Amino acid sequence: GAGVSQSPSNKVTEKGKDVELRCDPISGHTALYWYRQSLGQGLEFLIYFQGNSAPDKSGLPSDRFSAERTGGSVSTLTIQRTQQEDSAVYLCASSLVGQALGNTIYFGEGSWLTVV
Amino acid sequence: SQQGEEDPQALSIQEGENATMNCSYKTSINNLQWYRQNSGRGLVHLILIRSNEREKHSGRLRVTLDTSKKSSSLLITASRAADTASYFCATSFTGGGNKLTFGTGTQLKVEL
Repeated sequence: GAGVSQSPSNKVTEKGKDVELRCDPISGHTALYWYRQSLGQGLEFLIYFQGNSAPDKSGLPSDRFSAERTGGSVSTLTIQRTQQEDSAVYLCASSLVGQALGNTIYFGEGSWLTVV
Repeated sequence: SQQGEEDPQALSIQEGENATMNCSYKTSINNLQWYRQNSGRGLVHLILIRSNEREKHSGRLRVTLDTSKKSSSLLITASRAADTASYFCATSFTGGGNKLTFGTGTQLKVEL
């Protein structure tokens, strides 16, 4: 697609429920990233995919968080048993290859999650 | 923490003035990038500077990098009201793989 697409753009869920956030990266981009941004804060790294594998998932805050990527394209971030502190904007990004080589990463518009 | 820190946290200027934002980081980097974010949603890449570069320009943007001081600055010249946004620096630090580490950002407000 023309840009990184995320859905839903907004999600309100009850505490304890599971949520799935979807990211559709730019076509041909092998690297995909998930970040989280709490209100008024900087971005917190969650996980990085190269193809379908996740060589760096060091930022996932707990075992309630998981992510997968299939077909080297779409990725899903799943949060189980949501808590109020999970409320944040979840941002997905992609790049042609890993950004350590200096490749620009392109962000989606994010999914705003509110846990009530 | 490897997080960069921006300074100032907030900046308010008049249209036409220049805006300077600074970023400091803690460890050796591969590159440093600046991003812009409107209204708390998607980030837009502005400019990337590699560790062996000292200055880069893009339109009204000028970025400098001083690896000896572990700092970078973003200068926006002749600011416009449309430049109002949050600006973040992000570093790819040596040994950090493909993770970008973001600072907490500078909120820039350009008033008419």
